[in-house]
Amino acid sequence: GAVVSQHPSRVICKSGTSVKIECRSLDFQATTMFWYRQFPKQSLMLMATSNEGSKATYEQGVEKDKFLINHASLTLSTLTVTSAHPEDSSFYICSARDSVRGRGETQYFGPGTRLLVL
Amino acid sequence: RKEVEQDPGPFNVPEGATVAFNCTYSNSASQSFFWYRQDCRKEPKLLMSVYSSGNEDGRFTAQLNRASQYISLLIRDSKLSDSATYLCVVNRNAGNMLTFGGGTRLMVKP
Repeated sequence: GAVVSQHPSRVICKSGTSVKIECRSLDFQATTMFWYRQFPKQSLMLMATSNEGSKATYEQGVEKDKFLINHASLTLSTLTVTSAHPEDSSFYICSARDSVRGRGETQYFGPGTRLLVL
Repeated sequence: RKEVEQDPGPFNVPEGATVAFNCTYSNSASQSFFWYRQDCRKEPKLLMSVYSSGNEDGRFTAQLNRASQYISLLIRDSKLSDSATYLCVVNRNAGNMLTFGGGTRLMVKP
């Protein structure tokens, strides 16, 4: 099946720093990628839809200036958490849809990035 | 009201038991439905899609009732390895945005 990678798998940073998370589709092209956040014992919440070559679409309540998304190629989307604070500590997961081979609606999830802000 | 609602559990069952999970969704325009499985501290993985006619994959059976906006998952002959959180997922619209339920935790015990 299709593979999506994320890097880093976990990161610990000081409050106020910015953290970049990469999401790559390894064996397919993805014009659309999705970024989710999952707090402990809660479900995944969609943060934004990342569109290759255009601006991301953010869900209500998600600050676009705080969570910067760049989808510069068909295989890479990045999420930058700017000026991270302890309340941003969470499990960030990306997913990608194979837009070329016509795999339909299946989204392939990355392994997630665990962020801890001290 | 949440878009996708599930009983959080946990469901504690012995090996070999049959267990059923239910899920309701609020958006009647939802088009596609899935069950995902998520292990602790891991990403969700697609277990199966859910079709109106009902579908089966080995020990797993999924049902969809559009009129009642209700989705179910039945697991027969539970294995220890089935212990996980099961997420009911609905495709919100043609843009392929998925809405996740809160998940139902299953613990299968020897």
